Amino acid sequence: QVRLVESGGGLVKPGGSLRLSCEASGFTFSDYYMSWIRQVPGKGLEWISYVSTRNTYTGYAESVKGRFTISRDDAKNSLYLQMNSLTAEDTALYYCARDSHTGLGCWGQGTLVTVSS
Amino acid sequence: DIQMTQSPPTLSASVGDRVTITCRASQSISNWLAWYQQKPGKAPKVLIYKASSLERGVPSRFSGSGSGTEFTLTISSLQPDDFATYYCQHYTAYSGTFGQGTKVEIK
Repeated sequence: QVRLVESGGGLVKPGGSLRLSCEASGFTFSDYYMSWIRQVPGKGLEWISYVSTRNTYTGYAESVKGRFTISRDDAKNSLYLQMNSLTAEDTALYYCARDSHTGLGCWGQGTLVTVSS
Repeated sequence: DIQMTQSPPTLSASVGDRVTITCRASQSISNWLAWYQQKPGKAPKVLIYKASSLERGVPSRFSGSGSGTEFTLTISSLQPDDFATYYCQHYTAYSGTFGQGTKVEIK
């Protein structure tokens, strides 16, 4: 059974940092690109970052470029998102998703990040 | 950057209605478009990929069409389980811009 489980969310002060994790199971993690998507509660979806297989390529939305870093550890079947210089606008539910030529075919349940003093 | 514009933002419909949602890209994206359904408190679920390919397990009442800059998602006969929010997404190997979403409500 294909499964993605995010963790690491929580309450952080403006200017702070947080590292999100996404643990994959039920598929060959190393074969897939992976993405992070976020959603402000009650609002739409925002794609924020992807990582290719073998960490070869990464990409970021302009809203997070220079502050967030995506990475993966295939030995641990895990995806990460290091988030620095957080602001209130980064408050959202953060999803990881499996990426392929058929779109984002598998999503986790999300982890909530709240940036507030 | 390519922008994706969905319309309408909200759609009121009845069970059995034929429903069409439109997604426009700010420049040609060939057929690199997916449609997702999201219900409250749940992660999105892919319905259609490559503009018109039905994801395995998705009911055949869902269909997608279009290429270039204009795309549509059609639900041929709306069912009670279909009341949800729908998003289009232009996806490539290196980005994935979403439309703003269309909420399908009960009329």
